[in-house]
Amino acid sequence: EDQVTQSPEALRLQEGESSSLNCSYTVSGLRGLFWYRQDPGKGPEFLFTLYSAGEEKEKERLKATLTKKESFLHITAPKPEDSATYLCAVFQGAQKLVFGQGTRLTINP
Amino acid sequence: DVKVTQSSRYLVKRTGEKVFLECVQDMDHENMFWYRQDPGLGLRLIYFSYDVKMKEKGDIPEGYSVSREKKERFSLILESASTNQTSMYLCASSFTLAGLDYEQYFGPGTRLTVT
Repeated sequence: EDQVTQSPEALRLQEGESSSLNCSYTVSGLRGLFWYRQDPGKGPEFLFTLYSAGEEKEKERLKATLTKKESFLHITAPKPEDSATYLCAVFQGAQKLVFGQGTRLTINP
Repeated sequence: DVKVTQSSRYLVKRTGEKVFLECVQDMDHENMFWYRQDPGLGLRLIYFSYDVKMKEKGDIPEGYSVSREKKERFSLILESASTNQTSMYLCASSFTLAGLDYEQYFGPGTRLTVT
């Protein structure tokens, strides 16, 4: 069965303290891995799509990377406004996404 | 920018009522989705549609139905609401191009409470 596992479940950092979130997946024939950010009470906001191992994408303080078994979301010098839940997802069949449980990130000032 | 809107942010209904949740997207996307999100269970797909009048069951379709009469609008229907359908409901849309599926864009969500 296709699975997506994110770790850690929760992460608390000081402002400026860089770290990485992990998303490991088991899916045959990856057709895309997606990262989303979700603020409390709101819908997920699309961040990145990665299609093949070795691919990297960047946006402000965030950088997503992809290997054959996992993806990392690196956060460099985070600010309190980066606090959110980060979700990753992969395609399972046509159009369908399977999501991980998310990592709840808190950045303390 | 892609915009996905949902008819209500908060909704309170009684057990047994018929409930309609509406979703509209403005990007001419062919694919539309309904999810529910619950603590500890994550995002789960209820139904999706890849064209007008077409629908496919997701992982948890029981107790729900959908309607897609126009490309931009996708409705989720709870035929007889029950307390275990209290949840956050999220609509999303995406496009497919040359056989490649692209990212899904989500609406703001509807927090439904069934009492």
